[in-house]
Amino acid sequence: DTEVTQTPKHLVMGMTNKKSLKCEQHMGHRAMYWYKQKAKKPPELMFVYSYEKLSINESVPSRFSPECPNSSLLNLHLHALQPEDSALYLCASSQPRESYEQYFGPGTRLTVT
Amino acid sequence: GQQVMQIPQYQHVQEGEDFTTYCNSSTTLSNIQWYKQRPGGHPVFLIQLVKSGEVKKQKRLTFQFGEAKKNSSLHITATQTTDVGTYFCAGHNDMRFGAGTRLTVKP
Repeated sequence: DTEVTQTPKHLVMGMTNKKSLKCEQHMGHRAMYWYKQKAKKPPELMFVYSYEKLSINESVPSRFSPECPNSSLLNLHLHALQPEDSALYLCASSQPRESYEQYFGPGTRLTVT
Repeated sequence: GQQVMQIPQYQHVQEGEDFTTYCNSSTTLSNIQWYKQRPGGHPVFLIQLVKSGEVKKQKRLTFQFGEAKKNSSLHITATQTTDVGTYFCAGHNDMRFGAGTRLTVKP
């Protein structure tokens, strides 16, 4: 199984809502990532978890809160977002070693109203 | 920090023409990866280059890593409409993606 799944596919939320994005992989990968991608832009790294521990936080605002409950699951909790946070949120996984390839999920298209 | 510059931003070709995209880093890269993202899709891993001067081929795609490990290129021979998409390089040092080259192919 070389698939990374993400739910939901689409999400519309108000600025006062609390929602969560979910990501799952069963490839035995021990590194998982959240990226944000705006239209016609490259994916922008947000967080990296390695062996279920947060290893990289790219100065992401606290209204985004990641969580890695176990080696297969990655969540992104959203609270008090702004309209400019509307984007495609991509999850990826890989082996946390020097040479690796990232497998991306299909993404969650988030719209903040 | 590391910056990976990628050119051109856009490339429109006639089917059958060749295509090349280039990535340049301000610092030496431990390795570089290439991804393809189809319109409406997600990035898909193509290849990873690790060694100085490395050249790898995948059918019509040729990937090169510079001797100084600061630049890389992806060349597609005789493009097809299935090659349409955005091609990104990503330096492994900090998983920072280049801006991408959007390829369109006219049948």
